[in-house]
Amino acid sequence: GAVVSQHPSRVICKSGTSVKIECRSLDFQATTMFWYRQFPKQSLMLMATSNEGSKATYEQGVEKDKFLINHASLTLSTLTVTSAHPEDSSFYICSARDRGTTGTGELFFGEGSRLTVL
Amino acid sequence: DAKTTQPNSMESNEEEPVHLPCNHSTISGTDYIHWYRQLPSQGPEYVIHGLTSNVNNRMASLAIAEDRKSSTLILHRATLRDAAVYYCIRGGSGGSNYKLTFGKGTLLTVNP
Repeated sequence: GAVVSQHPSRVICKSGTSVKIECRSLDFQATTMFWYRQFPKQSLMLMATSNEGSKATYEQGVEKDKFLINHASLTLSTLTVTSAHPEDSSFYICSARDRGTTGTGELFFGEGSRLTVL
Repeated sequence: DAKTTQPNSMESNEEEPVHLPCNHSTISGTDYIHWYRQLPSQGPEYVIHGLTSNVNNRMASLAIAEDRKSSTLILHRATLRDAAVYYCIRGGSGGSNYKLTFGKGTLLTVNP
């Protein structure tokens, strides 16, 4: 089946630094990718929709200047957490849908990236 | 707002069938019903989806009520590897860029 890969799977950083998380679709092209965040014992919260070649669409309450999203190609989207603080510590998950499928095709998720900000 | 209602948790025994209910009483005529599951510390995994008719695949079956206000995910023989949080999501009115909003899901525990 289709594979979405995230890197790094775990990252620990100091407060105030920026962290970049990559999301790649390995065997399909994705015009759109989605970024979610998940805190412990909670559900996934959609942060933004990443659109290839254009600006991301952010959900209400998500700071676009804090969570920079770049979708430079049909197989890669990146999420940069800028000036990270301990409250940004979370499990970040990306997902994508094969653009060759119909609108109801399944969403493929990455393995997730666990960010810990000290 | 995920707009679906699921029990917080359910318990099953290994090799027995499991019926996971979902209520989506305000579903629109074009909304699909999607099921995903998430194992601990992993990204969600697609299980099944449907619109009106019941659906079967290698993982599970989806039974959709005639009025579409509820559905049931059926795992025919639960295994320990099926222990996960199961999410029922309504959405997908069309287009490859439609987004899915997750609710709290049902935590399924499978006893050996």
